[in-house]
Amino acid sequence: NAGVTQTPKFQVLKTGQSMTLQCAQDMNHEYMSWYRQDPGMGLRLIHYSVGAGITDQGEVPNGYNVSRSTTEDFPLRLLSAAPSQTSVYFCASRKQGVITEAFFGQGTRLTVV
Amino acid sequence: GNSVTQMEGPVTLSEEAFLTINCTYTATGYPSLFWYVQYPGEGLQLLLKATKADDKGSNKGFEATYRKETTSFHLEKGSVQVSDSAVYFCALRGITGNQFYFGTGTSLTVIP
Repeated sequence: NAGVTQTPKFQVLKTGQSMTLQCAQDMNHEYMSWYRQDPGMGLRLIHYSVGAGITDQGEVPNGYNVSRSTTEDFPLRLLSAAPSQTSVYFCASRKQGVITEAFFGQGTRLTVV
Repeated sequence: GNSVTQMEGPVTLSEEAFLTINCTYTATGYPSLFWYVQYPGEGLQLLLKATKADDKGSNKGFEATYRKETTSFHLEKGSVQVSDSAVYFCALRGITGNQFYFGTGTSLTVIP
């Protein structure tokens, strides 16, 4: 049971570089989302998707792009990395429904130097 | 708006001690409430949940009761183990919208 799979686990970028964080789920969940986790701030929502072809912004979307071409995949793109984007990133998915819980990937630790 | 406030850490307890981690929330209507646990180097895992007032969620010896009157969802365990060392997050999801709102997390260390 793979669940939610994120790659890579660790990444170091130089300021201004771009990269894509990958997220895939095999549970046929409609909803997928990206969070960043920073010390003392809990998890903050970056972008989310309610289904293939539909995405929307969360609390902290600036500097990030997403797309959802399939139900399974929800990549997060950093267009021009900045040190403020140093964080741990989590992808999550869940089924449609009011009381369903979210399932999380293992996270990507990103450092921008 | 929706928000979650949970007790600041870190918390250090001896094995077999009683644990309480406080969590209060602000939300309109009747949100669903969750506790997630994050073990070192891993993602968040659902620990327990409650979806309506007076519901009690329980799992692995942990319990939390949805208290509408005090807008609280405190996490408790009667006897902690070293393996319970982790970061615990309280979260809510409103009756509308797709977003989870997380507290800042409470780090728990249990010493033998």
